[in-house]
Amino acid sequence: LAKTTQPISMDSYEGQEVNITCSHNNIATNDYITWYQQFPSQGPRFIIQGYKTKVTNEVASLFIPADRKSSTLSLPRVSLSDTAVYYCLVGDHLTGGSYIPTFGRGTSLIVHP
Amino acid sequence: DTAVSQTPKYLVTQMGNDKSIKCEQNLGHDTMYWYKQDSKKFLKIMFSYNNKELIINETVPNRFSPKSPDKAHLNLHINSLELGDSAVYFCASSQDDTDTQYFGPGTRLTVL
Repeated sequence: LAKTTQPISMDSYEGQEVNITCSHNNIATNDYITWYQQFPSQGPRFIIQGYKTKVTNEVASLFIPADRKSSTLSLPRVSLSDTAVYYCLVGDHLTGGSYIPTFGRGTSLIVHP
Repeated sequence: DTAVSQTPKYLVTQMGNDKSIKCEQNLGHDTMYWYKQDSKKFLKIMFSYNNKELIINETVPNRFSPKSPDKAHLNLHINSLELGDSAVYFCASSQDDTDTQYFGPGTRLTVL
């Protein structure tokens, strides 16, 4: 099954750029990489998704190298409200067509004043 | 309007009891999921349903039985609760199984 590895925790300060890397060495050829953010006592929510190279939206950027064995979520100029757990998600496409989403163990980001 | 809702938000019960958690989505999605999140924040899929049919059943004890009365609902029934079942359970939905997932607020289950 697909396996992802992320740092358990990171610390940053307001206004800094934060980069969180997820490794997914056995990602399937046809799989996307998706990142979610989870605040305490809430469900995860979608941040960004990509397949290769770079994707940017109003919240973050996602960098994916050519071999796609890792991805880096980049949060520009973080604020205190970015303190959360960040998960990367890949999956497995099984014989028969079903897909099993596999979340990483999450990176707990703490932003300090 | 809440997109994915779960009830109850908190559930405290004794070992051996049977309990249910309800989930509803108003997004018109075809796929619904149940996840278990342990105290270390590990988020593990338990079940996936597509159009009321079970797609994934990931090494979950058969004390856990999902029921999908219609496409908008996926309920989770748990028999003979054990201490190790204590966790936060999340329901989610997506248009299809590789699409963005929308999560409910979670149900914190505590088994005493």
